[in-house]
Amino acid sequence: DIQMTQSPSFLSASVGDRVTLSCKASQNINKYLAWYQQKLGEAPKLLIYNANSLQTGIPSRFSGSGSGTDFTLTISSLQPEDVATYFCLQHNSWPLTFGSGTKLEIK
Amino acid sequence: EVQLVESGGGLVQPGRSLKLSCVASGFTFNNYWMTWIRQAPGKGLEWVASITNTGGSTYYPDSVKGRFTISRDNAKSTLYLQMNSLRSEDTATYYCTRRIRGYFDYWGQGVMVTVSS
Repeated sequence: DIQMTQSPSFLSASVGDRVTLSCKASQNINKYLAWYQQKLGEAPKLLIYNANSLQTGIPSRFSGSGSGTDFTLTISSLQPEDVATYFCLQHNSWPLTFGSGTKLEIK
Repeated sequence: EVQLVESGGGLVQPGRSLKLSCVASGFTFNNYWMTWIRQAPGKGLEWVASITNTGGSTYYPDSVKGRFTISRDNAKSTLYLQMNSLRSEDTATYYCTRRIRGYFDYWGQGVMVTVSS
């Protein structure tokens, strides 16, 4: 199984900060990585697919990059509504696996 | 508007069975693979089962293989998850999701399953 490692597990940043979240795969997953945002008590929401494609309706301050084993989700200017846990998903091969998440809070 | 509405959750004893349903609307159901994903309380996300658009093939992780069965009724735009031999570690919120090109673009609100005596 492909292991997905997210870092950091917890991040506290200020409004307006540029924030970078990391997701590393235990083996090559090409570009087949998605990022999800989950707010407290809600279902996850798709932000980014195929490593760098922004889902329709998602603010442009969110962006994704990477390929192979190393991937990054960047929020260019953190907003209060971005408080959430962020998960990555590899869909390169079965079984599909998620990272353990990064919890993002406002300082 | 795409909507996925799960039902059928609840409290069940270990070793018993439960069947979840997910009614889909707002898209052509039989054009899409569908997937169940679960999340234990305070934990991360775990893929549980996937089914092709025709229902001809299904996929499971080892953790549920042989105990869970995913199925669909395209005429009713409904996805199912039959869960047998339930264990305490199956306690989670179960999400119905639409799969597109490998990832999941729409999620239901989730249904809670609690396995406890």
